[in-house]
Amino acid sequence: DGGITQSPKYLFRKEGQNVTLSCEQNLNHDAMYWYRQDPGQGLRLIYYSQIVNDFQKGDIAEGYSVSREKKESFPLTVTSAQKNPTAFYLCASTKGRGSGTDTQYFGPGTRLTVL
Amino acid sequence: RKEVEQDPGPFNVPEGATVAFNCTYSNSASQSFFWYRQDCRKEPKLLMSVYSSGNEDGRFTAQLNRASQYISLLIRDSKLSDSATYLCVVNPYTGGFKTIFGAGTRLFVKA
Repeated sequence: DGGITQSPKYLFRKEGQNVTLSCEQNLNHDAMYWYRQDPGQGLRLIYYSQIVNDFQKGDIAEGYSVSREKKESFPLTVTSAQKNPTAFYLCASTKGRGSGTDTQYFGPGTRLTVL
Repeated sequence: RKEVEQDPGPFNVPEGATVAFNCTYSNSASQSFFWYRQDCRKEPKLLMSVYSSGNEDGRFTAQLNRASQYISLLIRDSKLSDSATYLCVVNPYTGGFKTIFGAGTRLFVKA
């Protein structure tokens, strides 16, 4: 079955540590996205990539980094510079390169908790 | 003013009831609109797109009012399984990619 996978489902991190969240899709979609969701707030865009080897900052990119070396993979690194990283992280993809009418498909998410 | 605003609820309704949610958006140039459903601790899933002429999918009806800058979602004959958070999504299409998610409206359908 085609879809988006994220791992791990739950992640615990000590302060000062970098962690990398995995996102893989086998939908052959061009664009991929990372969002963060906090209680009572809408999803906020961290980074997005419309094509391999290219990515753009979203609204809250500070303290995060990404890479897009392969079409199917878009890992997110949460660095120690991110002051409040505890959140639900969602990866998404679109078939096209993110035009206004594209439907976004989401992975199951990773819950990151900083201890 | 937030770019996309929703009443957070919760809306508590009995099975079989009709319930409606509204979502207002601030950018009058917004081009496309969606409703997503998100179950507790799960990922959002597309419920339906919202077209200018309005659209219906079974018990669900979505409408767009450009003059007043809001979209609505109507659920008829509510089922227990409709209990979820409903997210309003707006694409302003300002030339680059940008999607604005509302914070969601929680619905509880009770027997």
